[in-house]
Amino acid sequence: AQSVTQLDSHVSVSEGTPVLLRCNYSSSYSPSLFWYVQHPNKGLQLLLKYTSAATLVKGINGFEAEFKKSETSFHLTKPSAHMSDAAEYFCVVSEVNYGQNFVFGPGTRLSVLP
Amino acid sequence: DGGITQSPKYLFRKEGQNVTLSCEQNLNHDAMYWYRQDPGQGLRLIYYSQIVNDFQKGDIAEGYSVSREKKESFPLTVTSAQKNPTAFYLCASRISWDRGNQPQHFGDGTRLSIL
Repeated sequence: AQSVTQLDSHVSVSEGTPVLLRCNYSSSYSPSLFWYVQHPNKGLQLLLKYTSAATLVKGINGFEAEFKKSETSFHLTKPSAHMSDAAEYFCVVSEVNYGQNFVFGPGTRLSVLP
Repeated sequence: DGGITQSPKYLFRKEGQNVTLSCEQNLNHDAMYWYRQDPGQGLRLIYYSQIVNDFQKGDIAEGYSVSREKKESFPLTVTSAQKNPTAFYLCASRISWDRGNQPQHFGDGTRLSIL
């Protein structure tokens, strides 16, 4: 069975400093991995996805994530935080052969300080 | 533009009342999903539908019902049997239930509160 761990429930950074949101997963098969962002009272927006192509994935709004199979990790990074990045971020694992399983992590709330 | 429309944005339920949340998609996706989100918590799957006229219970289906009579529509009814319905409800769709490498697309949610 799949599972996702987001190691930090809350991350706080200053504007203009790097962002690192950590995600570790467990999967029996070849996983697909996704990062979503949720602003208050809004739905989830897809930031980026890994689907067994390049291990370094670039997404929208300057975010990127690196798939590391040996570490079972898919951490999300951004070089320079902007105030508009303050939101909840969810890491998701899905197994290619078990498409109905789309497992969400518990989320990490990102605060950006001026 | 293609997308998912949830309505209403805010909904209030009286004791003993059933309420229905609407979810419509024009993405031509086969699979659709309903999630519940409580403050500070992640998403929990209520029901999902792999194809028209089919639906399956998720992790927290008790007190909820769904139908899937049209590909575009997947309404969720919160029945009076659901004793703690106050939450944010999210509808999602995916091109196909078995395409594990494809993302789910989300609507903007409905916030349900008890009067």
